[in-house]
Amino acid sequence: DVKVTQSSRYLVKRTGEKVFLECVQDMDHENMFWYRQDPGLGLRLIYFSYDVKMKEKGDIPEGYSVSREKKERFSLILESASTNQTSMYLCASSFNRQGGGIYEQYFGPGTRLTVT
Amino acid sequence: DQQVKQNSPSLSVQEGRISILNCDYTNSMFDYFLWYKKYPAEGPTFLISISSIKDKNEDGRFTVFLNKSAKHLSLHIVPSQPGDSAVYFCAASSTSSNTGKLIFGQGTTLQVKP
Repeated sequence: DVKVTQSSRYLVKRTGEKVFLECVQDMDHENMFWYRQDPGLGLRLIYFSYDVKMKEKGDIPEGYSVSREKKERFSLILESASTNQTSMYLCASSFNRQGGGIYEQYFGPGTRLTVT
Repeated sequence: DQQVKQNSPSLSVQEGRISILNCDYTNSMFDYFLWYKKYPAEGPTFLISISSIKDKNEDGRFTVFLNKSAKHLSLHIVPSQPGDSAVYFCAASSTSSNTGKLIFGQGTTLQVKP
């Protein structure tokens, strides 16, 4: 059974703080993703990584950075948290089909971040 | 620019009846589509998918229909059960991509009344 875990379920931070969200998967997946979910906006991709130390910007990367030093771990960093980053953050992982193609993504339980 | 749209934010149906959730896309490069289900305080879970070489895929009570010419897909749940009450997201991708990236719609909240 695929397991994607996220370091915290709920987090409250102050404006200007540096925030680290950690994600770990145990299925040797090459691809890892960070999304945020907001009402009426669905899931929006922040960053993704298709290999260790590789990263690509998603649709809304501003204000975020990521780190992938090990295959199983993908971290999302809010350099200076702001109130508009209050959201549900979801991590996901998937295999990378060589030569193209899609494997479904497996999601963690999410981190509800509140920035005050 | 919303490439995948779910125009109905919510849907309410009676237990035992059919639920139909709709999704439209604009990018003609999309050729693989997925539906995810999300309960509150949990991550989304994969439900069913369809490749553009098919126009229908069925898995138990869940059937996904794809109309490529209309760039439209729908998820049918028959019969609907109270446990199906959740947010449903459709997602689209291009199999020529090597990144496994999915584009998600805004979601539709389904309520199944007993």
